[in-house]
Amino acid sequence: NAGVMQNPRHLVRRRGQEARLRCSPMKGHSHVYWYRQLPEEGLKFMVYLQKENIIDESGMPKERFSAEFPKEGPSILRIQQVVRGDSAAYFCASSPMLAGGAGNTGELFFGEGSRLTVL
Amino acid sequence: GQQVMQIPQYQHVQEGEDFTTYCNSSTTLSNIQWYKQRPGGHPVFLIQLVKSGEVKKQKRLTFQFGEAKKNSSLHITATQTTDVGTYFCAGQTSGTYKYIFGTGTRLKVLA
Repeated sequence: NAGVMQNPRHLVRRRGQEARLRCSPMKGHSHVYWYRQLPEEGLKFMVYLQKENIIDESGMPKERFSAEFPKEGPSILRIQQVVRGDSAAYFCASSPMLAGGAGNTGELFFGEGSRLTVL
Repeated sequence: GQQVMQIPQYQHVQEGEDFTTYCNSSTTLSNIQWYKQRPGGHPVFLIQLVKSGEVKKQKRLTFQFGEAKKNSSLHITATQTTDVGTYFCAGQTSGTYKYIFGTGTRLKVLA
């Protein structure tokens, strides 16, 4: 069973360009989280999605950032008009749906991250 | 908003010494998880605590969840060089799905 797959692993963009980060959750997982980590810092929650639904986007910047998790295909975190401050590691994590759909999703399985560098 | 703080931020220990990191939440948690992240790596799940006052052990690691469900600790006995990394707690509050990660404690073990 393959783990959480993120690509690209490394992405370099110039200011003003767009960055698209993709995340394929583990097989059978229907919950996806995105976190951002600056060097030497902790993980900041960005967004939580289930298939075709954004459940909690309280950590997403109001502008330029968007996320989706379509019925088919990977989850995508999109950053438009990137700025230098967007340079960070972006981690995706997935978890299974627990019986009854309870809020406690249990263990988060993290991908290896996508490291964005904005020149 | 909810904040989760960890102390210390950094800890250097001699191999064989013990290590403890403390996690404090500004709000009552429904459950707390602990993760380890090696340098350059991704977070890896260690354990989840749910009950007030719960204590769990994994070999040399002991995890505690406070009675008020607002704090937690991770204790490592007789550290080894393989314990090097950053340890994060992550708390979830009732009625929400998101996990708020603590600020992390970076552990270095000197051989």
